Amino acid sequence: DSGVTQTPKHLITATGQRVTLRCSPRSGDLSVYWYQQSLDQGLQFLIQYYNGEERAKGNILERFSAQQFPDLHSELNLSSLELGDSALYFCASSVQGSTDTQYFGPGTRLTVL
Amino acid sequence: LAKTTQPISMDSYEGQEVNITCSHNNIATNDYITWYQQFPSQGPRFIIQGYKTKVTNEVASLFIPADRKSSTLSLPRVSLSDTAVYYCLVGSYNYQLIWGAGTKLIIKP
Repeated sequence: DSGVTQTPKHLITATGQRVTLRCSPRSGDLSVYWYQQSLDQGLQFLIQYYNGEERAKGNILERFSAQQFPDLHSELNLSSLELGDSALYFCASSVQGSTDTQYFGPGTRLTVL
Repeated sequence: LAKTTQPISMDSYEGQEVNITCSHNNIATNDYITWYQQFPSQGPRFIIQGYKTKVTNEVASLFIPADRKSSTLSLPRVSLSDTAVYYCLVGSYNYQLIWGAGTKLIIKP
């Protein structure tokens, strides 16, 4: 158990809809990272937050947005969903920045029908 | 910006030592190299991290040459349970994260 929690575990929705994925980092970790992993693909880094502020952006679509709240939990919002957005979405946390060990949550499996 | 390249797949046998190399030609002075292991449908798990020379922990060793343009993850005496995907990551203090595409390691009996 990494100490990172993600909800929900599974999500099934339809094209065009909007969903919110939630992540609670390990106690004491200030950075949160979001990743997308499509079936049998590698990890695609989406975005990183540090203590409430956006720090780095990867291949995140404009339809996707995220935020980190004062209690350090984070949410990833996915809108106007398409079939190709079906994937595992992982959240990770680390103590501070990008040179620190990342601890990954169990992931949210999103299925868009 | 560093780009990481690693083999797509590797096979080995139980009890052998396995070495997986990651190339990161444009690594910057302050960048660190980290390796993660991922099993199907699970989040990646930290294996080892290094900056230069050699680092060893209870599960693996990491060799980084002086020019730091590559790194080699060494898994001693692998078992079937080491079958997984292994990722190298170059992370920097300016918040850049460059992940390799992953190496699928298959261990045979």
